[in-house]
Amino acid sequence: DSGVTQTPKHLITATGQRVTLRCSPRSGDLSVYWYQQSLDQGLQFLIQYYNGEERAKGNILERFSAQQFPDLHSELNLSSLELGDSALYFCASSAPPGRSYGYTFGSGTRLTVV
Amino acid sequence: AQSVTQLDSHVSVSEGTPVLLRCNYSSSYSPSLFWYVQHPNKGLQLLLKYTSAATLVKGINGFEAEFKKSETSFHLTKPSAHMSDAAEYFCVVSDTGGSQGNLIFGKGTKLSVKP
Repeated sequence: DSGVTQTPKHLITATGQRVTLRCSPRSGDLSVYWYQQSLDQGLQFLIQYYNGEERAKGNILERFSAQQFPDLHSELNLSSLELGDSALYFCASSAPPGRSYGYTFGSGTRLTVV
Repeated sequence: AQSVTQLDSHVSVSEGTPVLLRCNYSSSYSPSLFWYVQHPNKGLQLLLKYTSAATLVKGINGFEAEFKKSETSFHLTKPSAHMSDAAEYFCVVSDTGGSQGNLIFGKGTKLSVKP
């Protein structure tokens, strides 16, 4: 157990639907990152939150959004789903500056859009 | 902009022989570099990290990597491969050189280990 919890582990849904992926960071970590891993694109950074605020955006589609709540858990919302959104979605967390350094990844949510 | 290039998409070795997975980086900062491993249908596990301390970094499971600034390389090695090392390996750079940057992943090297 890495300390980063992602739910659900697997998700199968139809095109056009909306899903929410959840991530609980390691205790004490303030930053949460979302990554998408697909066969054709590899691992791509989507978005980062730090202590509730959006810190950086990567290759995140407009149909996707995220937020980080006061208890520091984060949710990634994917809407109007397309077949190409099928991928493994990872969440990672990292410690605040000056604390123990490192990024910890969750085990991922595998999304299948049919 | 920061980037990493993994020079081999697939490496095959025999059990008990050395492993070399090659990675070159490009960074505007003094880089923070990592190697992660992903076993089939599993998450990402940190093998080791370089953060401007010793240039030879020792990681878990007998892996180590050497940071060579003159060659902009951060190759991963292991003296003797084990069957359980078969996995995909990612070379990663932090885009700000610090602990709060976003991680930029290479395309991965799939390591196969033959008995």
